[in-house]
Amino acid sequence: LAKTTQPISMDSYEGQEVNITCSHNNIATNDYITWYQQFPSQGPRFIIQGYKTKVTNEVASLFIPADRKSSTLSLPRVSLSDTAVYYCLVAGADSNYQLIWGAGTKLIIKP
Amino acid sequence: EAGVAQSPRYKIIEKRQSVAFWCNPISGHATLYWYQQILGQGPKLLIQFQNNGVVDDSQLPKDRFSAERLKGVDSTLKIQPAKLEDSAVYLCASSLFGRNEQFFGPGTRLTVL
Repeated sequence: LAKTTQPISMDSYEGQEVNITCSHNNIATNDYITWYQQFPSQGPRFIIQGYKTKVTNEVASLFIPADRKSSTLSLPRVSLSDTAVYYCLVAGADSNYQLIWGAGTKLIIKP
Repeated sequence: EAGVAQSPRYKIIEKRQSVAFWCNPISGHATLYWYQQILGQGPKLLIQFQNNGVVDDSQLPKDRFSAERLKGVDSTLKIQPAKLEDSAVYLCASSLFGRNEQFFGPGTRLTVL
């Protein structure tokens, strides 16, 4: 079973900010939260990783509350090319950095 | 920097035949993973190598699947004999030791008829 729970699908429109929330109630002290993006016929691609509070890079932000039982991936001003499946995963030293993948969130961006 | 290379990209075989997939990870990446991804599902870890040693192969169907990474660099995954339910994309990924960030290859799409 995946360690995380996230919505199966989401829709949004070009130019909007999209927030995808993930639940990870049993996150271990040493676990980091990692998000990946996957386009059809491609391998997953790393987006962002965090441990607590907020992390921002050139493509996304990751918000993690103090209890770390959930996290939110924020994609600013999405475009059609952001249509993909997004995976939330938790892993760390205790689990040999193994990523246990759920079905992910299929994000569809409309014009 | 070159990414993770996999070959072949596509393979069609009959059930009970054998097939092998090859992966060359990013230079310097000690950890190598093989995943199976069935259409509509997330990747499922088959085996994880640390250099040339196996860290975890608990989900590898060992009666038909085998994998090796003899020199701690490239790796081969073999299926013998193949079943219809083995139809999937086989992904190889690599990472630096102790890091969550995995870099994936393009995958090999296997169709078993």
